[in-house]
Amino acid sequence: GQSLEQPSEVTAVEGAIVQINCTYQTSGFYGLSWYQQHDGGAPTFLSYNALDGLEETGRFSSFLSRSDSYGYLLLQELQMKDSASYFCAVRGYQKVTFGTGTKLQVIP
Amino acid sequence: DTAVSQTPKYLVTQMGNDKSIKCEQNLGHDTMYWYKQDSKKFLKIMFSYNNKELIINETVPNRFSPKSPDKAHLNLHINSLELGDSAVYFCASSQDEAWGDIQYFGAGTRLSVL
Repeated sequence: GQSLEQPSEVTAVEGAIVQINCTYQTSGFYGLSWYQQHDGGAPTFLSYNALDGLEETGRFSSFLSRSDSYGYLLLQELQMKDSASYFCAVRGYQKVTFGTGTKLQVIP
Repeated sequence: DTAVSQTPKYLVTQMGNDKSIKCEQNLGHDTMYWYKQDSKKFLKIMFSYNNKELIINETVPNRFSPKSPDKAHLNLHINSLELGDSAVYFCASSQDEAWGDIQYFGAGTRLSVL
């Protein structure tokens, strides 16, 4: 089976940097993805890692260590609009499984 | 043009009724999904179709029946609705199974069973 763990809530100050961690257990591994979901909205794809290392997309970066079954999403220069839930998702042999989500609150 | 569109956006109905949710994608993708998101925001896959063929069928009650008339459409029919079916249902698509890491979601259908 597949399981993922991520913190349930994180609070950070506007302009700061925040890191959201994700650890996973999976049968087979093809990739780790990150999605953003605002309250009342749909999940939106942010970033994807298939290989170890850091992927950067603007203010957002995602990191993967396959040997540690661990990844993180790094958000820089936080803005109020970044307040949302963030989900990691792992693609294993047969399907993609989503984590339970991390609710990020950005405060002034 | 909306890439993945679901209808209806809201659905309020009585227990025991039968209802359908429609989903269409205009991205030319081969793979489509149905997810259920409960009140705790847990996003759980229900079904996945690749080019009209069922590839994932999670432990979902058989009251739920997906239908894919073509690869651009994946509809969800629910029989004998129960209170526990109240949730947000999301349709999603990806280029194909190998690109399942990158999914595009519809806006969701908020189902309330009274």
